[in-house]
Amino acid sequence: GQQVMQIPQYQHVQEGEDFTTYCNSSTTLSNIQWYKQRPGGHPVFLIQLVKSGEVKKQKRLTFQFGEAKKNSSLHITATQTTDVGTYFCGALSGNTGKLIFGQGTTLQVKP
Amino acid sequence: ETGVTQSPTHLIKTRGQQVTLRCSSQSGHNTVSWYQQALGQGPQFIFQYYREEENGRGNFPPRFSGLQFPNYSSELNVNALELDDSALYLCASSFRNYNEQFFGPGTRLTVL
Repeated sequence: GQQVMQIPQYQHVQEGEDFTTYCNSSTTLSNIQWYKQRPGGHPVFLIQLVKSGEVKKQKRLTFQFGEAKKNSSLHITATQTTDVGTYFCGALSGNTGKLIFGQGTTLQVKP
Repeated sequence: ETGVTQSPTHLIKTRGQQVTLRCSSQSGHNTVSWYQQALGQGPQFIFQYYREEENGRGNFPPRFSGLQFPNYSSELNVNALELDDSALYLCASSFRNYNEQFFGPGTRLTVL
C-alpha cells in the first residue's frame, strides 16, 4: 500500500536556527497535508498542497510540493521555542478519505 | 480549539472487554475519520464515515467498527480488546473527505 516516509525523525536546534523536514513517497500524491502536534496535544492542520511545484508560506513556515508530486518539505526559518512539537505530513490515498501519515519529525528548540 | 469533542478523555479496560468511543464533529462538517496513535508514532487511519456511510478503511481487523449518526457524530467500537490496542484514539472531522481535518483532543485507552 501507499507509504509516506518522513525524515529526520528528530531534530534538535538552537533557537534562531532553521529547520527542515522532508516527506517522500514512492507513488504520485494527489495532495499533501501538514499537521503540527504539540507534546500531549492533538494534530493541528497547517496547510494543504495540491499543485505540482506549489510553494506556500505562513510567516516563518515555507511549504513545498515537488514537481513530480512525490515529495514535500516544511522549512521553518529562525525557529522559536513555540515551534516545538512533532510535524506530520499526510497524503490522501485514492478517492477515499484515507489519510496516510508519515512517522513525523519531532523538533526540539533550545532557548 | 476546533469544536471537535471526544469522550471519554481516558479509559482503562482489561483484555477481552469491549469499548465505545464517541466523537462530535465540528458544526457544518459531514465527515468523520478515526485514527489510532501509538506513543511516538504517527496517526494510523482506522476508517472514515461520510454521510453515515463508511468511506475507506485502514488495515484494522473487523473488531474495530464504527457508526456515524444523522447529526454526523460518530462512534468507534472495539471488541475483544488486546494489549496492543492501548493508544490515543483521535477523531477528525471535515467538510469533505479531501479537505483539512480538524482533530479532537483524543481518548487515551489503556488495556491491561
